[in-house]
Amino acid sequence: EIVVTQSPATLSVSPGERATLSCRASQSVSSNLAWYQQKPGQPPRLLIYGASTRATGIPVRFSGSGSGTEFTLTISSLQSEDFAVYYCHQYNGWPPWTFGQGTKVEIK
Amino acid sequence: QVTLRESGPALVKPTQTLTLTCTFSGFSLSTSGMCVTWIRQPPGKALEWLARINWEDDKYYSTSLKTRLTISKDTSKNQVVLTVTNMGPVDTATYYCARGRGYYYHRGSGGYYFYGMDVWGQGTAVTVSS
Repeated sequence: EIVVTQSPATLSVSPGERATLSCRASQSVSSNLAWYQQKPGQPPRLLIYGASTRATGIPVRFSGSGSGTEFTLTISSLQSEDFAVYYCHQYNGWPPWTFGQGTKVEIK
Repeated sequence: QVTLRESGPALVKPTQTLTLTCTFSGFSLSTSGMCVTWIRQPPGKALEWLARINWEDDKYYSTSLKTRLTISKDTSKNQVVLTVTNMGPVDTATYYCARGRGYYYHRGSGGYYFYGMDVWGQGTAVTVSS
């Protein structure tokens, strides 16, 4: 089973600043990686799939990059509504698929 | 508009079997490319992928839980059911179902282009306690 590790666990950022979140897979997942945002009391929301394709309605300040085992989610200029927990999810090959343990983006 | 709604008991006793139903609308699980996945989240913890069923009735399970999970679909009712046997306190969590879409580009190797889980239900909280 592929293990997905996210870093850091918590990221403190000021509004308007850039946030960079990392996700590492224990073996290559090609570009088969998605990112989700979750706010308290809400289900996750799809942000990115295919490592870099924004889902419908996702603002351009969210961008994804990487392939193989190293991936990055960048939020170019943090807005107040972006403070949340972010999960990466690998879906390479036959399931089971796996999630990372999450990165919490908090207000600095 | 695509919607999903999870339903099931809020409280189960240890060793009991949990049965959860995901009732959806706005898409058909008999349409090529469609799938429904169950995910859970213990309080304050990360998401955990549990099981997936697709339009061809292929079923996949979490490695650590596969002996306890069963997923099935009733296309006529637009429902997907997940059962979890031998429930214990560690299974206390919010259980979500989510819709996904994709297609096989190399079925033999599992090559699957996935558009992500784009619509989620609100989740149903399950507590395991005697």
